[in-house]
Amino acid sequence: RKEVEQDPGPFNVPEGATVAFNCTYSNSASQSFFWYRQDCRKEPKLLMSVYSSGNEDGRFTAQLNRASQYISLLIRDSKLSDSATYLCVVNIESDSWGKLQFGAGTQVVVTP
Amino acid sequence: GAGVSQSPSNKVTEKGKDVELRCDPISGHTALYWYRQSLGQGLEFLIYFQGNSAPDKSGLPSDRFSAERTGGSVSTLTIQRTQQEDSAVYLCASSYTSFVQVANSPLHFGNGTRLTVT
Repeated sequence: RKEVEQDPGPFNVPEGATVAFNCTYSNSASQSFFWYRQDCRKEPKLLMSVYSSGNEDGRFTAQLNRASQYISLLIRDSKLSDSATYLCVVNIESDSWGKLQFGAGTQVVVTP
Repeated sequence: GAGVSQSPSNKVTEKGKDVELRCDPISGHTALYWYRQSLGQGLEFLIYFQGNSAPDKSGLPSDRFSAERTGGSVSTLTIQRTQQEDSAVYLCASSYTSFVQVANSPLHFGNGTRLTVT
């Protein structure tokens, strides 16, 4: 079983709609969670950290469910520019960036 | 300001040759990381540096892989006797510190080096 698993998608979303997807992690001791965004053939970029109480950044909302060991990302009022692969990132051993585990990504395609 | 710079952006090499990949981190960033990403796969951790030392080399897939960092800045990742399974995008990232809980210490990635071993 992979440490971090994501539905690869693609999630095809009409412009203006809401899309949500999850990421499950296997290590119950994980402490730090992040969502990164990666455009095609580009480098990953930090989208947002995920805090235990859940957090929102504009149209993006991240949630953490420790009991079921998953994090989620919700995108409201989807824009064409939201089309990308969203990488779930979880620390598996410590708070060092070097021990972070990346999921393979969920592809989101926003259509006009 | 300047971001993380990697060179070359693309490298095609023959099986069995050695390759050297370079990463120039953001100025002032003490931590530097190497990952690789194969098609359709997540990022695979290779090694990270805090300053010039590498506390964790556990991700290096074999002894053909080595990395060094000098002067607390530029890092090179060397792959000896390349194999076809080494083909991937090699991503370098840097951060102000190596600890994720520091609020202003996200990972900044370079554009990567796309390595193709023929």
